[in-house]
Amino acid sequence: GAVVSQHPSRVICKSGTSVKIECRSLDFQATTMFWYRQFPKQSLMLMATSNEGSKATYEQGVEKDKFLINHASLTLSTLTVTSAHPEDSSFYICSARGGENTEAFFGQGTRLTVV
Amino acid sequence: GQSLEQPSEVTAVEGAIVQINCTYQTSGFYGLSWYQQHDGGAPTFLSYNGLDGLEETGRFSSFLSRSDSYGYLLLQELQMKDSASYFCAVGRSSYKLIFGSGTRLLVRP
Repeated sequence: GAVVSQHPSRVICKSGTSVKIECRSLDFQATTMFWYRQFPKQSLMLMATSNEGSKATYEQGVEKDKFLINHASLTLSTLTVTSAHPEDSSFYICSARGGENTEAFFGQGTRLTVV
Repeated sequence: GQSLEQPSEVTAVEGAIVQINCTYQTSGFYGLSWYQQHDGGAPTFLSYNGLDGLEETGRFSSFLSRSDSYGYLLLQELQMKDSASYFCAVGRSSYKLIFGSGTRLLVRP
């Protein structure tokens, strides 16, 4: 299957700082990317859907000013957690697909710890 | 709204067969997918049902009944490495996926 690379795999940051997570499609052009958050022993919660070149669509309850998503190219989407707080500590996972009716593939995930 | 329900935990012995059920309520339906996730890892795709019936992929099979809003994942010849969390999800992965709560499977020797 296609490869989606997510970086960094782990990050620790201080409360109040911002953290950027990158999601890259390595061998295909990703027209749509999805960002999920997963707390320990819980399910994956969809945060937002981003289409290349347009604004992301956020799920209800997700603060768009706190979780900034940029999908400026067909191979890269970024999620920036702004002014991070300990409650933002979680596992963030991206997923990317190449077009309609194509399979989507998951990145390896990023473990964010805010201290 | 959308909701998917799965058992929280299932335990089985190596070599056995286990079935993980999933019931769903959704405003739109694009099929039922199943994913496996090991601790600390990302989900990996196992199976997809767009129509009623059984889909078989090696040791894993998945079933869907749209009239009952119900599906299940069947794992045969269980191996220790199958110990993981299993999620059902509504929507094909080409559309956005809404995940169930997950079932933690523990395979014992």
